[in-house]
Amino acid sequence: KAGVTQTPRYLIKTRGQQVTLSCSPISGHRSVSWYQQTPGQGLQFLFEYFSETQRNKGNFPGRFSGRQFSNSRSEMNVSTLELGDSALYLCASSLGFGQGANIQYFGAGTRLSVL
Amino acid sequence: GENVEQHPSTLSVQEGDSAVIKCTYSDSASNYFPWYKQELGKGPQLIIDIRSNVGEKKDQRIAVTLNKTAKHFSLHITETQPEDSAVYFCAALTQGGSEKLVFGKGTKLTVNP
Repeated sequence: KAGVTQTPRYLIKTRGQQVTLSCSPISGHRSVSWYQQTPGQGLQFLFEYFSETQRNKGNFPGRFSGRQFSNSRSEMNVSTLELGDSALYLCASSLGFGQGANIQYFGAGTRLSVL
Repeated sequence: GENVEQHPSTLSVQEGDSAVIKCTYSDSASNYFPWYKQELGKGPQLIIDIRSNVGEKKDQRIAVTLNKTAKHFSLHITETQPEDSAVYFCAALTQGGSEKLVFGKGTKLTVNP
């Protein structure tokens, strides 16, 4: 079974631009969660999507948004980029329901650098 | 909100020794506690998890213990090998309002040959 795939692996943007990151979950998984990882703050939860609906949300500004498609693939968008948005963005997929609903499997991440 | 404290932040051991990483959580309703290993340039990999109805779980050289009363859980790695060198994260699944995983800040484990 293929794992969680994130694209692109690396991105360089400038302040004020916007960016879209993509995540393809494990086949059969309906939940996709996004995290921001930085050396200072560690892994911080952004939001979770399940069956095309945002089910949970962390404490990030509205510049961070996401969506999920009918095939469970998810995208995350960050608008008006700031220097502090430089981080590794990780996507994790899980079944989202039933036994093992919360067991999350991570992708390799997208490294975003904002200049 | 929910908080997970992880200690130590760095740990250096000799090959063959044991390593122990400890975490505490604040939400008494948390019921699922996974551990992840992250190697350089990779995403976190789930290595073991435990649910609140179990006190201990073992998988070969790795074990996790949970003390619900004290809100502590620990990762034990025995007979460490150089390939165990990585950053390890603990996490707790919060229940208050919405379910989400809250992670500790990580422990960088170095196993010296």
